[in-house]
Amino acid sequence: GIQVEQSPPDLILQEGANSTLRCNFSDSVNNLQWFHQNPWGQLINLFYIPSGTKQNGRLSATTVATERYSLLYISSSQTTDSGVYFCAVDRSPGAGNMLTFGGGTRLMVKP
Amino acid sequence: ETGVTQSPTHLIKTRGQQVTLRCSSQSGHNTVSWYQQALGQGPQFIFQYYREEENGRGNFPPRFSGLQFPNYSSELNVNALELDDSALYLCASSFPGPTRAYTFGSGTRLTVV
Repeated sequence: GIQVEQSPPDLILQEGANSTLRCNFSDSVNNLQWFHQNPWGQLINLFYIPSGTKQNGRLSATTVATERYSLLYISSSQTTDSGVYFCAVDRSPGAGNMLTFGGGTRLMVKP
Repeated sequence: ETGVTQSPTHLIKTRGQQVTLRCSSQSGHNTVSWYQQALGQGPQFIFQYYREEENGRGNFPPRFSGLQFPNYSSELNVNALELDDSALYLCASSFPGPTRAYTFGSGTRLTVV
């Protein structure tokens, strides 16, 4: 099956710093999403981004499908950004698809 | 537009027992997937239901089973619980199409003792 690797596994930032999280995947994909898992366990969808670049406030994401990687940028980090960030992909063009998750990046933002 | 809701939020079961977890999909979504997330790991795909039929399954034994109802809500049933079944169980709904984003619920945290 498809492999998804995220880096770094752990990241500690001072409030206000910027960061880049990376997701590499081993095969072509039809869907790529970035999620933030809050301390209560809920996965919050940040971006649906199988290709191209999107921005939402302090967050932005870029996926280069031909080179099989995606980047999540966090600017001016805040303590509320803490949590685990997951990249997830699926390959199927239709029904019967499944998301394969990376191992996550655990982010801690210190005040 | 309602999101994905799961119940219960927490429960504790004894090894060997059976458990049923429930999920209501987001309005307009006809596909429901279930994931198991062990502590410190990414979610693992259990199975998916589309139009009330299982439409894909991950590497989980048959004692993990499910149902989808005409209103697209879903149940996950686990028989003969084992200690390793302790995990966060997440439900996600989606709608097939070119922009097939998944929406997740808050999960059910199952502890098997």
